[in-house]
Amino acid sequence: DVKVTQSSRYLVKRTGEKVFLECVQDMDHENMFWYRQDPGLGLRLIYFSYDVKMKEKGDIPEGYSVSREKKERFSLILESASTNQTSMYLCASSFFRTSTEAFFGQGTRLTVV
Amino acid sequence: SQQGEEDPQALSIQEGENATMNCSYKTSINNLQWYRQNSGRGLVHLILIRSNEREKHSGRLRVTLDTSKKSSSLLITASRAADTASYFCATTLIQGAQKLVFGQGTRLTINP
Repeated sequence: DVKVTQSSRYLVKRTGEKVFLECVQDMDHENMFWYRQDPGLGLRLIYFSYDVKMKEKGDIPEGYSVSREKKERFSLILESASTNQTSMYLCASSFFRTSTEAFFGQGTRLTVV
Repeated sequence: SQQGEEDPQALSIQEGENATMNCSYKTSINNLQWYRQNSGRGLVHLILIRSNEREKHSGRLRVTLDTSKKSSSLLITASRAADTASYFCATTLIQGAQKLVFGQGTRLTINP
């Protein structure tokens, strides 16, 4: 079975802290994605990557950065956490083909206090 | 900006009834997918329909795609309490890399 694993299920951080959210997939997928999910707003794409060291901005990249040093791992970085970044963060991965499903991790609920 | 918009935002029906959810999108797509999310969990893929397909079935699910209207519908027949979840459509665009862009979702409640 495909597995996408996010490092934490729940996380509480202080305003101004640097926060790392880690995501690992075991299916040799080229594409990896980070979304945030807020009530009434659905899933919004923060960043995605289609290869090692490659990244593209999604719809809401401000305040975030990403790192993809290895194919299986995609990290989301909050350089200086703020309360408006309190949200559910979802990681996903998929093959680099035009018609392919994405597999999601279980989500990380981040609270910034 | 959101590519897809689901309608309705919330739907409540009785067990055994059919549930229909709609999705509209803005730009040309490679494919459209539907996902399900149980409360507080990750999303699970349900079905994918390519831009050159008009209808697809999987078990109790039926998806239609009308590219001229830029819309899709998901029909769940003979609903069960376990179908209670949020349902999202997602599109992969023709232009650009394979971004997968989601709509806002429909919250479906099946009443026993």
